[in-house]
Amino acid sequence: SYELTQPPSVSVSPGQTARITCSGDALPKQYAYWYQQKPGQAPVLVIYKDSERPSGIPERFSGSSSGTTVTLTISGVQAEDEADYYCQSADTSGTYRYVFGTGTKVTVL
Amino acid sequence: QVQLVESGGGVVQPGRSLRLSCAASGFTFSNYDMHWVRQAPGKGLEWVALIWYDGSNSYYIDSVKGRFTISRDNSKNTLYLQMNSLRAEDTAVYYCARDKDVFDIWGQGTMVTVPS
Repeated sequence: SYELTQPPSVSVSPGQTARITCSGDALPKQYAYWYQQKPGQAPVLVIYKDSERPSGIPERFSGSSSGTTVTLTISGVQAEDEADYYCQSADTSGTYRYVFGTGTKVTVL
Repeated sequence: QVQLVESGGGVVQPGRSLRLSCAASGFTFSNYDMHWVRQAPGKGLEWVALIWYDGSNSYYIDSVKGRFTISRDNSKNTLYLQMNSLRAEDTAVYYCARDKDVFDIWGQGTMVTVPS
C-alpha cells in the first residue's frame, strides 16, 4: 500500500525552527506537496514539487527531499504558524491514487 | 477571484443518497481536472475522487468505488459528487479542489453526516 508517515506533533518556541518529516517508499519517484490547515478552515498549499513555494507563502516555509523522506521547515516560527500540516503525494502512472500523510500538529509554545 | 463553493451537505440516514455540488468561478473551469477530498471529524485528509477536465475519465478511492460518482457540467462550471448507499464512515467534511498538478485551490467544504 502507498502510505505517508508523519510525526503526530511538533512543538517549537517562537522564532525557532520547526521541521516536519514525511516518509514514504514512493517519495523518491514522486513529488511531495505540503498543506497547512488551521481549525475550521480548508487546507492551503505551502510547498509544491518538494521545495517550490507558491506566491504569497512566506519565505520562512521551505521544503527538501532526501531518499524516502521529505521535510517541511518553518524558520523563525510565528504564532500564526500553529496549525496542522499534511504532506501529499500521488501515483498517476496507472491507476490514479492520491495519498495524504497522517498529519502533524505544530504547536507554538 | 478564483473560488470554489461547495453545497449539498446535510444529515442523511445510512443507505440513502446525497449529491454534493461545487460551483467554480474566477477561472476557466473546463481547463482543469477536479477532485473531491474528505476529512472525517478530528481526522486527516483523504482523497476521494478525480475527474478529468473534459469528464472523460474518473478515478476513486477503493472504499467508495461503486457507491460514489464524480461528474461535472462544464457549461455550468459545476462539479458534482453523487453519493449512494451512504455509511457512517462516510461522515466527513467534503472539499472540492482544483488540480494544477497539485490541489492548488480548495473550497470551504460541506459537512455530510451519516448517523450510525
